[in-house]
Amino acid sequence: GAGVSQSPSNKVTEKGKDVELRCDPISGHTALYWYRQSLGQGLEFLIYFQGNSAPDKSGLPSDRFSAERTGGSVSTLTIQRTQQEDSAVYLCASSRRTGPEKLFFGSGTQLSVL
Amino acid sequence: AQSVTQPDIHITVSEGASLELRCNYSYGATPYLFWYVQSPGQGLQLLLKYFSGDTLVQGIKGFEAEFKRSQSSFNLRKPSVHWSDAAEYFCAVVPSGGYQKVTFGTGTKLQVIP
Repeated sequence: GAGVSQSPSNKVTEKGKDVELRCDPISGHTALYWYRQSLGQGLEFLIYFQGNSAPDKSGLPSDRFSAERTGGSVSTLTIQRTQQEDSAVYLCASSRRTGPEKLFFGSGTQLSVL
Repeated sequence: AQSVTQPDIHITVSEGASLELRCNYSYGATPYLFWYVQSPGQGLQLLLKYFSGDTLVQGIKGFEAEFKRSQSSFNLRKPSVHWSDAAEYFCAVVPSGGYQKVTFGTGTKLQVIP
């Protein structure tokens, strides 16, 4: 694949519904990150996966947020019982490994919670 | 606490003028340092990075950044700004030693006027 692919590109949902956001990283990249970008808030770290190690979940804002990465490749970010404050752009990035490596970003999923 | 700060939320410069965007960090040891750019309608892209060695690093699109240990800074510069440089710029850090996540600053939005 050419780059990091995220789907859907846009998601509109009603408050209280669950949503799933998908990320396909670059083939062979062992590190995968999720960030949230809200207006004027910069890039907020959510979670990262590195190979078979336990993920760093320290940025998840509440227990409504969870993520998994199957087979060391595709990742899904799930938000349960969405709230209006969850509205943001969710960005996925991958790199060959964690640490001082260039991140390759997807185009993001714009989530709107009505 | 470890942090990365971009003091300027928004900067406006005239086309052809010089540019300097500020980035300060607070880490026990010098971290790895990066600048990313997010152009309208495009994903985040790496401009340049500093790991060690020469404190003046060159990047793409004519940008450069200077690492100053005494000031805990890694400011981004460009001698002559082009209208296409209008974008949001993010400083990012990775703690040195071991595999750790990438933390981003809150970003500086650059406006270029004719």
